[in-house]
Amino acid sequence: NAGVTQTPKFRVLKTGQSMTLLCAQDMNHEYMYWYRQDPGMGLRLIHYSVGEGTTAKGEVPDGYNVSRLKKQNFLLGLESAAPSQTSVYFCASSYQVQETQYFGPGTRLLVL
Amino acid sequence: DQQVKQNSPSLSVQEGRISILNCDYTNSMFDYFLWYKKYPAEGPTFLISISSIKDKNEDGRFTVFLNKSAKHLSLHIVPSQPGDSAVYFCAASGVGSSARQLTFGSGTQLTVLP
Repeated sequence: NAGVTQTPKFRVLKTGQSMTLLCAQDMNHEYMYWYRQDPGMGLRLIHYSVGEGTTAKGEVPDGYNVSRLKKQNFLLGLESAAPSQTSVYFCASSYQVQETQYFGPGTRLLVL
Repeated sequence: DQQVKQNSPSLSVQEGRISILNCDYTNSMFDYFLWYKKYPAEGPTFLISISSIKDKNEDGRFTVFLNKSAKHLSLHIVPSQPGDSAVYFCAASGVGSSARQLTFGSGTQLTVLP
């Protein structure tokens, strides 16, 4: 039982490049979330999903897209990376709303 | 405009003493509050939560207090241990569709000195 896993752990991109971050959970959770953590800002919600095939915007969705084609996977895409997207990205999942969210180990992204 | 604020970026406490971490919120629609702990290079892990119908919740060495009139919550750790050294985030969610989103504070780095 791996919980929440994230791929890759670290990535360096050049401005304008694209990439996809993968989140996978094996707990059969309905809800999945993508956050970014920046110094002095805490965690901010980018997008979330309340079930397979659904997505919704969070607090800071601009520049990101997401997809939830399978219940266990939640993908975060950057179509044209910008230096402002340099951050640590965390994925989380929960069984129900307002229940404990379980976090992955994070992906550190550097955009040059 | 930060709706959840942790005004102390850092706190140092001697081993065996009490650690008190504070959190203030501005949104009166928040009704569920959580504390997460985060070690370096790891994701946050859930510590303890409290619903707005309560004013206190205990779990072993950890107690969370909620003062709704002051829009303030605090986490007490007694006794503090060196392994408690981590960043602590408070988070809040509200009713309806906002129940789906957690709003996090900026975190407090706790250092427990042996």
